[in-house]
Amino acid sequence: GAVVSQHPSWVICKSGTSVKIECRSLDFQATTMFWYRQFPKQSLMLMATSNEGSKATYEQGVEKDKFLINHASLTLSTLTVTSAHPEDSSFYICSALDRGSPLHFGNGTRLTVT
Amino acid sequence: KQEVTQIPAALSVPEGENLVLNCSFTDSAIYNLQWFRQDPGKGLTSLLLIQSSQREQTSGRLNASLDKSSGRSTLYIAASQPGDSATYLCAAPNAGGTSYGKLTFGQGTILTVHP
Repeated sequence: GAVVSQHPSWVICKSGTSVKIECRSLDFQATTMFWYRQFPKQSLMLMATSNEGSKATYEQGVEKDKFLINHASLTLSTLTVTSAHPEDSSFYICSALDRGSPLHFGNGTRLTVT
Repeated sequence: KQEVTQIPAALSVPEGENLVLNCSFTDSAIYNLQWFRQDPGKGLTSLLLIQSSQREQTSGRLNASLDKSSGRSTLYIAASQPGDSATYLCAAPNAGGTSYGKLTFGQGTILTVHP
């Protein structure tokens, strides 16, 4: 079945550094991918929609200059958290739309900023 | 703005029991509704996707119903097993959205099935 791979599964970084998270669709082409964030004991919140070959669409309240999204190919979207701060510590999950099928989610990336 | 609420927040049942998880949503102009399962520290597994034209969808021991007019969906789990222990999330498309991907999630129901 369709699989979405997310890497890394966890990362610890120092405050002020940048972290890149990759989301890959392994056996299908995804023209659209989505990035969600989940804080502890809270539900998922949509951050942005990643469109292959064009700029990402960000949800209200999400800083596009802080969360850089690149969808350079039909199987890869990346989320870069720039100048990370402790309040950016969260669980980041991507999903990919396989036309005609339910949404497929990655296993998430646990980001801890110290 | 779409809002999704799930009740109860947590549920603990003995193995073998049948159970119902509830989900309500505010914007009933949805094309579909999805139920997901999330294990601790993991991503999401899609369980059931109900199209707006359907009233229910079944997969194994799981049955999900959708009542758009009342803004409600239920997930029925038959003969629960310890392996069913997880957080169950209900998700509806954002208000005015038709995309499968732009979802508003509920807070989830944490299910514990004890042997």
